Amino acid sequence: DTAVSQTPKYLVTQMGNDKSIKCEQNLGHDTMYWYKQDSKKFLKIMFSYNNKELIINETVPNRFSPKSPDKAHLNLHINSLELGDSAVYFCASSQGQGPESPQHFGDGTRLSIL
Amino acid sequence: AQSVTQLDSHVSVSEGTPVLLRCNYSSSYSPSLFWYVQHPNKGLQLLLKYTSAATLVKGINGFEAEFKKSETSFHLTKPSAHMSDAAEYFCVVTGAGSYQLTFGKGTKLSVIP
Repeated sequence: DTAVSQTPKYLVTQMGNDKSIKCEQNLGHDTMYWYKQDSKKFLKIMFSYNNKELIINETVPNRFSPKSPDKAHLNLHINSLELGDSAVYFCASSQGQGPESPQHFGDGTRLSIL
Repeated sequence: AQSVTQLDSHVSVSEGTPVLLRCNYSSSYSPSLFWYVQHPNKGLQLLLKYTSAATLVKGINGFEAEFKKSETSFHLTKPSAHMSDAAEYFCVVTGAGSYQLTFGKGTKLSVIP
């Protein structure tokens, strides 16, 4: 049983389109995250939610909007996709917010913009 | 603020020989340090973590790491490499009480049969 699941696994779309990536965790965790991994494998946090409230919002274009309908779900909506948005997006979750609470990652969504 | 530097982008070892993946960190606070592994087309899996307890940390799959404050290092080692260890490894740092992870750029480990 997958602990953190993301859908879709692959997403290929054209520039200018709007798309969403969904994330669900069945671990009962309070905190969820979105990360972006670029073509050089560098990982950078984008957003974090704790109990449906936004707690981290890094310097990310306004075209990216996270939504957390409940604490088990954190979806990522992207408007007006650009070529530079091509990357792997990882969802993660943790029980708490400190270093004692390791983050569990999903398998990623590979987004390719044509 | 904190940062982490992984000194090698690619390490290649023969199966059965020791593994050493190097990581140096910088932090304004007492850091917490982690090593994560990423297999192809998979998410990241926690190997081990240091959070101010014992300086020698044992993780899964026979890996361990030693926190050396004087050298600001947290190198990952394994006595004997296995083919299944071939993956990308990330050293991660976070400040005291912080939940925000800062990732290194990764080290790709290749294991030669």
